[in-house]
Amino acid sequence: EPEVTQTPSHQVTQMGQEVILRCVPISNHLYFYWYRQILGQKVEFLVSFYNNEISEKSEIFDDQFSVERPDGSNFTLKIRSTKLEDSAMYFCASSTGGNTEAFFGQGTRLTVV
Amino acid sequence: GEDVEQSLFLSVREGDSSVINCTYTDSSSTYLYWYKQEPGAGLQLLTYIFSNMDMKQDQRLTVLLNKKDKHLSLRIADTQTGDSAIYFCATLGGSQGNLIFGKGTKLSVKP
Repeated sequence: EPEVTQTPSHQVTQMGQEVILRCVPISNHLYFYWYRQILGQKVEFLVSFYNNEISEKSEIFDDQFSVERPDGSNFTLKIRSTKLEDSAMYFCASSTGGNTEAFFGQGTRLTVV
Repeated sequence: GEDVEQSLFLSVREGDSSVINCTYTDSSSTYLYWYKQEPGAGLQLLTYIFSNMDMKQDQRLTVLLNKKDKHLSLRIADTQTGDSAIYFCATLGGSQGNLIFGKGTKLSVKP
């Protein structure tokens, strides 16, 4: 069964460092998403990406964040200068359309120290 | 802004029915979803309901939607230990498919 894969499963980084979280969406999907879940809090929408550009983003997705689809398979989330409060589980998701089922990856746990 | 609320914990005995409740604020959401998260795993879509329906049944799962009260529930019949997980209610937040999640309800099933 096709699935969304995320790497790494766990990343520890020092405050101020840049991190890149990687995702391989399902191959025939057209919409891509990043969500995050701070421990004990809600899963929060960060950004959606369609047709090689950001289609929607939340207030959380400020200038420190960027997304990219560098080739036909990967979808990345970059955090330029990490802060302690960026520590969270980051989920990538993909879907065939805006109103269809979103398939989620297993998440990357980011710990900023 | 839009909000989704759920109770945080539910404990049931194996074989009983579980009912997980959710309230939401955005009445324009066309779809409402239930996701399941097992330990160490991603979010798995369990079921969803279109906003013009008031009930959907899928094997052991029954979803009830009360649009007037903005209340969604998930009933799991004959709950098994394998059903132990966190269950998230979610509404469709925009035209691009972004989801608004509740905090999740941790279901514990005792043998």
